Amino acid sequence: AQSVTQLDSHVSVSEGTPVLLRCNYSSSYSPSLFWYVQHPNKGLQLLLKYTSAATLVKGINGFEAEFKKSETSFHLTKPSAHMSDAAEYFCVTAHYGGSQGNLIFGKGTKLSVKP
Amino acid sequence: NAGVTQTPKFQVLKTGQSMTLQCAQDMNHNSMYWYRQDPGMGLRLIYYSASEGTTDKGEVPNGYNVSRLNKREFSLRLESAAPSQTSVYFCASSERQPRREFVNSPLHFGNGTRLTVT
Repeated sequence: AQSVTQLDSHVSVSEGTPVLLRCNYSSSYSPSLFWYVQHPNKGLQLLLKYTSAATLVKGINGFEAEFKKSETSFHLTKPSAHMSDAAEYFCVTAHYGGSQGNLIFGKGTKLSVKP
Repeated sequence: NAGVTQTPKFQVLKTGQSMTLQCAQDMNHNSMYWYRQDPGMGLRLIYYSASEGTTDKGEVPNGYNVSRLNKREFSLRLESAAPSQTSVYFCASSERQPRREFVNSPLHFGNGTRLTVT
C-alpha cells in the first residue's frame, strides 16, 4: 500500500536560512506525490506536485522538491526562509486501490521561523 | 471567488447531541471530501463523494453520515456526538472525475470547523 512518512514533526530555522522538510514514500508503482501547506487556522493549500515529467519540481513561494527514486524520498526545500513560511507542511501521496482511490496524508511537519 | 465554504467555524456540543456540518463549493467540482485533523495524525478521510449522487466511506467513517445534496453541497452529520469526535473538520473539493488521476486535480480546502464535544 502507498504511504508517506514525514521524518520530522517539528523543524525550526532562522529567517534567511535554508529549509529542509523530509518525506519518504512507499509505493509499489510510480507514485503521485504532493506537498500541501497549512497556515494557522486555514485550510490546506497545494504547494507543488510530482508529475513524473521532471524530478525537480518547483512550487509556489520559492519552494522546491526533488523526487529521488533510489532513496524513495520527496524532500521539500527552500533556499531562504521567510517569517511567512511558518506553517504546517504535509507530504501526500495518492492511493489508487478500490473503486476510486484517495489521498494519503503524512502526519505533518510544523515549521517555525525565528527572526 | 469563495472557493470552499464551511459552516460553522466553531461548535461545542455535549455528548449525545447531533449536528450537521455544511460545506459548499462554487468551482463546479465533481468530487467532494470530508477529513478530520487531529494533532500528530495528519488528515484522515471520513467520507467522500466522487460525483453527484454517490458517496463512499473513507478511512474513519464510524459515527458519521454524509449527504451529497447537489453538485455544490456536501454535508457531514454527527448523529450522537462523542468526545472522540473532538477534532477539526475540513471539507475539500476537486475537479477529479471518478477513476482519474489525482495529479491533475488538486484538492481545494475550506478553512475548517473546530468541533469540541464535552
